[in-house]
Amino acid sequence: DIQMTQSPSSLSASVGDRVTITCQASQDISNYLNWYQQKPGKAPKLLIYDASNSETGAPSRFSGSGSGTDFTFTISSLQPEDIATYYCQQYDNLPLTFGGGTKVEIK
Amino acid sequence: QVQLQESGPGLVKPSQTLSLTCTVSGGSISRVSYYWSWIRQPAGKGLEWIGRIYSSGSTNYNPSLKSRVTISVDTSKNQFSLKLSSVTAADTAVYYCARVRVGYPTITFDIWGQGTMVTVSS
Repeated sequence: DIQMTQSPSSLSASVGDRVTITCQASQDISNYLNWYQQKPGKAPKLLIYDASNSETGAPSRFSGSGSGTDFTFTISSLQPEDIATYYCQQYDNLPLTFGGGTKVEIK
Repeated sequence: QVQLQESGPGLVKPSQTLSLTCTVSGGSISRVSYYWSWIRQPAGKGLEWIGRIYSSGSTNYNPSLKSRVTISVDTSKNQFSLKLSSVTAADTAVYYCARVRVGYPTITFDIWGQGTMVTVSS
């Protein structure tokens, strides 16, 4: 199985801050990576696919980059409604696997 | 718009079989380029992919659960189902059904059900 390692596991930032989350794959996965947002008590929501493409309806402050084994998810200006846990997910190989998640809180 | 809704017992006894159904509304489960998947999440933990099915009945399972999992589809009812046998407390989780959008090579979980909590306890 391809292991996905996210860091940090949690972070606290102020409204308006730039927030960056990293995801590292245990092997080269090209750009076969998605990012999801999960708010408390809710199902995950797709934000970014193919490492850097924004899903329809996702706010423009969310972006992704990277390829190979190292990926980055960025919130350009943190908003109160962005409080959530963010997950990366690879689809290079089955089984499909997720990172452990990054919990984002407001300082 | 397509919506997914999980249903099934919220409490299952150890060693028994967990059975859940996902009903798809607003679109056909037989639509080309979509698979249908189950994912679970223990309380306070991350997401684990269980498996997926195509409308033809073709399946793929997570090897960690493969010996205990069966996913099936009923296109006449626009539903797909999960059976997980010989459950233990470790199978206690929120179970989500999700639509899998396939774009070759893109594979995304683009629509999710709200999730259903299943507790394994005597």
